[in-house]
Amino acid sequence: GDSVTQTEGPVTVSESESLIINCTYSATSIAYPNLFWYVRYPGEGLQLLLKVITAGQKGSSRGFEATYNKETTSFHLQKASVQESDSAVYYCALGNSGGSNYKLTFGKGTLLTVTP
Amino acid sequence: DMKVTQMPRYLIKRMGENVLLECGQDMSHETMYWYRQDPGLGLQLIYISYDVDSNSEGDIPKGYRVSRKKREHFSLILDSAKTNQTSVYFCASSWGTGQLYFGEGSKLTVL
Repeated sequence: GDSVTQTEGPVTVSESESLIINCTYSATSIAYPNLFWYVRYPGEGLQLLLKVITAGQKGSSRGFEATYNKETTSFHLQKASVQESDSAVYYCALGNSGGSNYKLTFGKGTLLTVTP
Repeated sequence: DMKVTQMPRYLIKRMGENVLLECGQDMSHETMYWYRQDPGLGLQLIYISYDVDSNSEGDIPKGYRVSRKKREHFSLILDSAKTNQTSVYFCASSWGTGQLYFGEGSKLTVL
């Protein structure tokens, strides 16, 4: 089946430092899956951070970026300068964009703590 | 208002009791999901519903059943809850292959 592997947390970074959370995927149900990053802030549900559906493209939101790399089957999340408000759990996910029976497969999540 | 609402948010039950978790969405999304999240395991898919009375097992359906009688409402039922079903349960909805919208989660403790 499909699977997603991401950086094991917890990850602690000082404010204004750079961040990278690694994500690699294995898609057996479809050749070109949709790729997502979701974020869960304390006390809230998951919300979409960014999405890329075309291999080779980059998605960006709130200063975060991720590039869909089909050769390395990766979708790493990066930010040049983190803020305390970025502290949250980040989830990489794969969508089997095959029309019917659509579902998302999530990684285990990476807890990020940004210290002042 | 693009919202997924889960009730209750917190629930404590004894082993063997029945549990009903409810989820509503106001976006007329066709597809709804139930996931559970456990430490170190991420989100695991329990059931998917593609529309009213059109439900499909996810990756870990054992011990659960679902009901969807209205498009905007999706229930997760645990008949005779077990301690290993202690978890945080997330409901989500989507339109086609678009993004999933999640509720805030329901924390279930089975003693």
